[in-house]
Amino acid sequence: SAVISQKPSRDICQRGTSLTIQCQVDSQVTMMFWYRQQPGQSLTLIATANQGSEATYESGFVIDKFPISRPNLTFSTLTVSNMSPEDSSIYLCSVQGWAENPPSYEQYFGPGTRLTVT
Amino acid sequence: GENVEQHPSTLSVQEGDSAVIKCTYSDSASNYFPWYKQELGKRPQLIIDIRSNVGEKKDQRIAVTLNKTAKHFSLHITETQPEDSAVYFCAATLTNTDKLIFGTGTRLQVFP
Repeated sequence: SAVISQKPSRDICQRGTSLTIQCQVDSQVTMMFWYRQQPGQSLTLIATANQGSEATYESGFVIDKFPISRPNLTFSTLTVSNMSPEDSSIYLCSVQGWAENPPSYEQYFGPGTRLTVT
Repeated sequence: GENVEQHPSTLSVQEGDSAVIKCTYSDSASNYFPWYKQELGKRPQLIIDIRSNVGEKKDQRIAVTLNKTAKHFSLHITETQPEDSAVYFCAATLTNTDKLIFGTGTRLQVFP
């Protein structure tokens, strides 16, 4: 499985500001995803980060609010813009990695970034 | 689009008993169904998965069954231990994509 790291691990931000979250993988991966997990809730897909093209956003999420970069096959960033308290959540990146036994693609998660907006 | 329902939302069992968590999905073209375990403050960890060409898969104390006709799949944990206590999420892929749609989660508590 891929080793995934995220920075920062947590942050407390003031409303109206922006925060950029970084996701680094130890191997090249084609598919990278960004999820949001609100307190006590399930995981909701924000967008798919495509290398060399714009991210693909899910219903309810827009590029102006959550701009994403994917400059290469091991790195992506998610920015939470013009934050409000409703943006307080855990943000997780996820990658699709290759498993050997049996040979197949599986999805792994980073450790998450816990964001609190005051 | 795909909708994944998960039951129960909470489950309490005595150590050594079995636990079963069920999920239903709406998209008949979904072909991949992973299960994740999330301990408090930790990332979701993939524990087992099943693809649509298989009806059952087992890995030590955990197993997953899939009924494509009824569009439901289940996680079975036997001989539960206190360290099995966590939130478990099922997921299913959207048609022709690698995107996962997650169920609402089941909080499992195993009492010693």
